[in-house]
Amino acid sequence: EDQVTQSPEALRLQEGESSSLNCSYTVSGLRGLFWYRQDPGKGPEFLFTLYSAGEEKEKERLKATLTKKESFLHITAPKPEDSATYLCAANAGNNRKLIWGLGTSLAVNP
Amino acid sequence: NAGVMQNPRHLVRRRGQEARLRCSPMKGHSHVYWYRQLPEEGLKFMVYLQKENIIDESGMPKERFSAEFPKEGPSILRIQQVVRGDSAAYFCASASGTSGFTDTQYFGPGTRLTVL
Repeated sequence: EDQVTQSPEALRLQEGESSSLNCSYTVSGLRGLFWYRQDPGKGPEFLFTLYSAGEEKEKERLKATLTKKESFLHITAPKPEDSATYLCAANAGNNRKLIWGLGTSLAVNP
Repeated sequence: NAGVMQNPRHLVRRRGQEARLRCSPMKGHSHVYWYRQLPEEGLKFMVYLQKENIIDESGMPKERFSAEFPKEGPSILRIQQVVRGDSAAYFCASASGTSGFTDTQYFGPGTRLTVL
C-alpha cells in the first residue's frame, strides 16, 4: 500500500536553530513529491515539487531534497514566522490524487 | 488574481440535514479536488473533477456524498443526512491541468463542518 510518513510529529526550535524535517515514502512509481505549509485554520500553501532523486529546491530559509526513499525539508536559521505544520504528499501511479503524510508541527521560539 | 475560494467558511448542521460546500477554483483552472481533514488522520483525498465530469471518486463514500463541477459556477460537495462523524474540515484544491500527474494543487481556506 502506498504510504507517506513524516517525522518528527512535532518539533520545537529556538530562533536561528537550523533543523530538518523528514518525509519517507513507499509508493510505486513516484511522479512527484510535494511540500506544503499549513497555518492553523487555513488551507495548505504550496512550497515545492520534487520530481527525481537528487533534485533540490530552495525558497528563502527552506530547502527541499529528494532521495529514492525520502525527502527532507531543511530549515536554515528559522524565524518565529516559520512556525506552521509542514505537510508532504506524493503522487504516484496513473492517477492525480495525492497521498499525504500527517505533517510535522514546527514551533520556532523567539 | 484571486485564489481558490470556498464558502461557507463555517457550517453548522444538525444530524439528518444536508450540507452544501462550494468551491470556486482559481481563474483559468479547470481541475478541482476535494479533501477532508481530521486532526488524527491528515488530509484524505475524496474526489477529483474536471468541468462536467467526475474523474476519480475513489475516496468518497458511496452513500450520502456527491460532488459536481458544472460548466458554469462553482464545484459543490454535497453531504446528505449528515452524521456527527462528518464533522471535519473540507478543503478544495484547484489545478490548471497543464502538467499532467504532477499538476500543482492550490488550496482554498476550507469549510469547517460541525454536525450537532
